[in-house]
Amino acid sequence: AQTVTQSQPEMSVQEAETVTLSCTYDTSESDYYLFWYKQPPSRQMILVIRQEAYKQQNATENRFSVNFQKAAKSFSLKISDSQLGDAAMYFCAYNDYKLSFGAGTTVTVRA
Amino acid sequence: DTGVSQDPRHKITKRGQNVTFRCDPISEHNRLYWYRQTLGQGPEFLTYFQNEAQLEKSRLLSDRFSAERPKGSFSTLEIQRTEQGDSAMYLCASSNPRVGNEKLFFGSGTQLSVL
Repeated sequence: AQTVTQSQPEMSVQEAETVTLSCTYDTSESDYYLFWYKQPPSRQMILVIRQEAYKQQNATENRFSVNFQKAAKSFSLKISDSQLGDAAMYFCAYNDYKLSFGAGTTVTVRA
Repeated sequence: DTGVSQDPRHKITKRGQNVTFRCDPISEHNRLYWYRQTLGQGPEFLTYFQNEAQLEKSRLLSDRFSAERPKGSFSTLEIQRTEQGDSAMYLCASSNPRVGNEKLFFGSGTQLSVL
């Protein structure tokens, strides 16, 4: 079974600053997908960014980017120019045919 | 198309009662997933369907839980003889990997409270 580990239960960032969330996973597969999802207090799961394992180039979506290290099985999320609306719980997820989620990291943004 | 729809949004029930939740996936999404999430935790996989076939069930899905997806469209998740430990958010998601899209789209969830 695939396992996803998020070692930071909480992270705090000053508005306009950068924060990096860590994620490691365990798999024996070579082709898979990795995701970061955001869950605000409304509890709606919102896709932030997606990475395909066979692509070496790190994915970027506006202020969100990832550092994908396949050999190390590491998949961190960087949020640049943090905004108050970024405050939420962030989940790293591994997908071969279903999503396996980490325990999440709560991000708070200080004004 | 407005995305994945779940009904009801909230359900309060007494221990021992049966409850049923409904999920309507995005049109033409052939995969449908059910997850359970407790406060402060990540969602846990329960089961998934490819069209009308239920392809996998987690060991979390006890014999009190049953899910169906007749005709490969909407799905229902029924919990019989509810227990207080069943209190959680039940999330539904759908995807369409046939078009190379591995992204799962989630509904807003059904929050179950068992008293």
